[in-house]
Amino acid sequence: QKEVEQNSGPLSVPEGAIASLNCTYSDRVSQSFFWYRQYSGKSPELIMSIYSNGDKEDGRFTAQLNKASQYVSLLIRDSQPSDSATYLCAVEDGGSQGNLIFGKGTKLSVKP
Amino acid sequence: KAGVTQTPRYLIKTRGQQVTLSCSPISGHRSVSWYQQTPGQGLQFLFEYFSETQRNKGNFPGRFSGRQFSNSRSEMNVSTLELGDSALYLCASSLSMTTGELFFGEGSRLTVL
Repeated sequence: QKEVEQNSGPLSVPEGAIASLNCTYSDRVSQSFFWYRQYSGKSPELIMSIYSNGDKEDGRFTAQLNKASQYVSLLIRDSQPSDSATYLCAVEDGGSQGNLIFGKGTKLSVKP
Repeated sequence: KAGVTQTPRYLIKTRGQQVTLSCSPISGHRSVSWYQQTPGQGLQFLFEYFSETQRNKGNFPGRFSGRQFSNSRSEMNVSTLELGDSALYLCASSLSMTTGELFFGEGSRLTVL
């Protein structure tokens, strides 16, 4: 059973702080990794994708990938109350093209 | 550019009934995936369609089925509904079947009584 593990949270950080969200996965063949954000009552939206080891930065968001450790993380700098949402880590199922395995998500709360 | 459209948004059914959900992908997107989201299990993959063919299938019973039409619109059907089928059913479209960059619709909230 291929799994994607995330701390469910809630993770609470003060406004302006760095929020660090972590994810581990079991499928060593996976090559593509994604972070989706889901606001309460809304559908998930893609915020970051990462395919190579190392860091990828996009504005206040940085995704980090370590395939040897089977670990993906998302850093949110200068956290804002509008970042309060559930963050879903998704990993490509190495056995079937394009199919994603989602973690259950980490709920982030940014306090003003 | 219109997003992914799912209908109906909300529906209530009773055990034993069947339900059909519809999804219209973003124009130009040929791949449509369906996911079930519940508080306990999170997002779980149901199936993916590309060019009217089912390309991948998740670990769900045969009561769950789907299809895709030539205009890329997709439907999923659940027969003999069970209480545990109550969930948010999300459709996602993408340009191709090999990308995990999905665009989700707002979902169809199914309640089974």
